[in-house]
This record gives sequence, structure tokens and C-alpha cells, in this order.
Amino acid sequence: GQQVMQIPQYQHVQEGEDFTTYCNSSTTLSNIQWYKQRPGGHPVFLIQLVKSGEVKKQKRLTFQFGEAKKNSSLHITATQTTDVGTYFCAGLRDYKLSFGAGTTVTVRA
Amino acid sequence: SAVISQKPSRDICQRGTSLTIQCQVDSQVTMMFWYRQQPGQSLTLIATANQGSEATYESGFVIDKFPISRPNLTFSTLTVSNMSPEDSSIYLCSVEEARQGGWGYTFGSGTRLTVV
Repeated sequence: GQQVMQIPQYQHVQEGEDFTTYCNSSTTLSNIQWYKQRPGGHPVFLIQLVKSGEVKKQKRLTFQFGEAKKNSSLHITATQTTDVGTYFCAGLRDYKLSFGAGTTVTVRA
Repeated sequence: SAVISQKPSRDICQRGTSLTIQCQVDSQVTMMFWYRQQPGQSLTLIATANQGSEATYESGFVIDKFPISRPNLTFSTLTVSNMSPEDSSIYLCSVEEARQGGWGYTFGSGTRLTVV
């Protein structure tokens, strides 16, 4: 079955630094979505990427979809304490959404 | 975006009992999705609930254990039956909708279930 792998599992970041989380699928995806879950909260939709090679930005967050539509990345610049949480990628294939394991981000002030 | 009210928000239940989780959406939606998130883990789709037909269950989930109702286009319930400690998880309902940034899923606030 479809698997979406996400690395790293944990990311400890100094405030102000940049980091990237990566997502890889074993199969070609129709689209990929990214979600953020704050501690104790529920996942919140961030973005959807549909086109091969697509890049979208939301303020300090940059999302990319690979040319083969099998991988994606989320890059956060100048990390802030508000970026704390778990970031999930989720790949859509055959109308089913498969979530990666998530990257849990902690920030050192 | 849609507003999803999910209840109860949390519960502690005795093993062998059942709990029904309710999910109310403020707009009509064709499909509603039920997910499970075990402690510190990712989200796993349990089933897709369509109004007027039986729910479609994912591999590893069966109707006898997780019966679902979908009486109308704004409401669904998930029952966790004959609970054991392994059922301790967060259960989330969700709907798919167009959002700023594309199509994505909106989740309810979740039900944190502890089975003792």
C-alpha cells in the first residue's frame, strides 16, 4: 500500500535558525498537503501542492513538490517559538489521504 | 472554513464498554472521515462515511468494532465498541473542503479516549 515517509522525526531548532522537513512517497501522488498540529491540538491545514515542481510560500514557510510528484519539503526560515508543533505531510492517491509520521519541532529560545 | 463540533472532547472509559463520538458540521458535506491518532503517532484513516450508504472501512478496521452512522449531510457518529486499553487514542472527524491554499481537510477538535 501507499506509504508516506517523513524525516526527521524530531527537530530541535535554535530560535532564528532555519530548518527543513522532508516527505517521500513510494508512489506518485495526486497532490500533497501539509498540516500543523500544536501540542494538545488537532491538525490544521496549511497548504496543498498539486503541480509537479510547484513551490508555494506562506510568510516564512516554503513548500515544494518534487518533479516526480513523489516527494515534498517544508522549509521554515527564522524559526520562532510559535512554530512549535508537529508538521505532517499527507499524500493523496486514489482518493485516499496517507499521513506521514510527522516532524515534531521544538524551539530553543 | 467549515466548523466541526466534536464531542465528547475527552473521556475515560472502562474496558468492555462502548463510547459513541459525535461530529456535527455547520455545512452539508458529502463525505466525512474518521481518523485515529494513537499517542505520539500519526493519523490513520478508520473509515469514510457517506450519507445514505454504509461506511467504507480501511484495512484493519471493521464495522463491528467501529460502527458508524451518517443520518444526514451534517452529522456522523463513530462508536468504539467493546473497548480495550489499546483503543486509547485521539479520534478525529474531518471533512474535505476548498481552503485558502487549496483543497484540504478540516478536523474536529478530537476526542481523547482513555480506556482503563
